[in-house]
Amino acid sequence: SQQGEEDPQALSIQEGENATMNCSYKTSINNLQWYRQNSGRGLVHLILIRSNEREKHSGRLRVTLDTSKKSSSLLITASRAADTASYFCATDGYGQNFVFGPGTRLSVLP
Amino acid sequence: EAQVTQNPRYLITVTGKKLTVTCSQNMNHEYMSWYRQDPGLGLRQIYYSMNVEVTDKGDVPEGYKVSRKEKRNFPLILESPSPNQTSLYFCASSPGNQPQHFGDGTRLSIL
Repeated sequence: SQQGEEDPQALSIQEGENATMNCSYKTSINNLQWYRQNSGRGLVHLILIRSNEREKHSGRLRVTLDTSKKSSSLLITASRAADTASYFCATDGYGQNFVFGPGTRLSVLP
Repeated sequence: EAQVTQNPRYLITVTGKKLTVTCSQNMNHEYMSWYRQDPGLGLRQIYYSMNVEVTDKGDVPEGYKVSRKEKRNFPLILESPSPNQTSLYFCASSPGNQPQHFGDGTRLSIL
């Protein structure tokens, strides 16, 4: 099955710096979504990018999608301590079968 | 308030004792899904349902059952739980091909 896989597994930065996380997947997709999870809590949707889109912005978030490389990136600009969380990409094909990657753990140090 | 509600939030039980984790959403969403989350493996989809009486297997359906008799409810049933089903479980819903709303999770420990 297609699989989202985030890179790096863990990322530690200082407040104010930018954080970039990457996601790779294996098969054709309808769309790709990014979610955030605070420790042990439910996931919260951040942004959805459709397969015919190349870039999308939402506040301090910027997502790109390269379907030829089967990859996406999430950029968080001017990071804050409150951005500390795990970030997951999720892909869906043509049957509503969602596949999540193992996630990137982001630590933003004050 | 729009939400996905899972019960129980925590459960410790023993091998072989049937259990049900309930999931209910109040947003009239067609799509509902169950995931399990294990360290280093991310979320893996167990079952999903695109509407009432329509369910499909995800990536890890073995040992689980689901039913979708009403739009709002999507219970997860473990007929004979085993220790390898100890995990953090999430239910999610969405209006079709849209972002999912997640519940707060159910932590299951099977001894």
